Amino acid sequence: ETGVTQSPTHLIKTRGQQVTLRCSSQSGHNTVSWYQQALGQGPQFIFQYYREEENGRGNFPPRFSGLQFPNYSSELNVNALELDDSALYLCASSQDRGDSPLHFGNGTRLTVT
Amino acid sequence: EDQVTQSPEALRLQEGESSSLNCSYTVSGLRGLFWYRQDPGKGPEFLFTLYSAGEEKEKERLKATLTKKESFLHITAPKPEDSATYLCAGGYGGSQGNLIFGKGTKLSVKP
Repeated sequence: ETGVTQSPTHLIKTRGQQVTLRCSSQSGHNTVSWYQQALGQGPQFIFQYYREEENGRGNFPPRFSGLQFPNYSSELNVNALELDDSALYLCASSQDRGDSPLHFGNGTRLTVT
Repeated sequence: EDQVTQSPEALRLQEGESSSLNCSYTVSGLRGLFWYRQDPGKGPEFLFTLYSAGEEKEKERLKATLTKKESFLHITAPKPEDSATYLCAGGYGGSQGNLIFGKGTKLSVKP
């Protein structure tokens, strides 16, 4: 069983730039969620995708956007990067059953300078 | 406001010294209380889901319990490999991926 994989593992960007992070879901999973984890904090929910549609969103501005592809892989796009966007970005996949827990990847560490 | 609070922030134990981690929650329409373990530089690893007050689940040296306002993660006779940050999260809303996490408890177990 292949787990959740994310790329790249580390990334450095400049304020104002745009970034795209990628995620491959665990085999058999059709739902993907993205989280932001600042240093010393718990993960914060950004949004979830199911059947290529966004079906839940946390308290993040529209410059955070995403895509889910037919093979259930996903992208997180962040425009107009700000210094506070520096964080670990986690992707998690699950099945579309209420009792299916989230399985996380190891994240992408984004640093904005 | 929905929130999850964990205590203590950090806990140092000697190997074999049992203890408990606390998670208090105020999440309207809670649809599950989740425990995860996170090692440095890694993503959270799923441990347990609890759905109703009185429910208990066990895995090796860990046991999770749930009341109407709190959840506890009991660690019995811990070993150094149990050192990690333990995260508690409340599930809510219609989207199953929507979890509210606490800040975690960083556990260190010394040999």
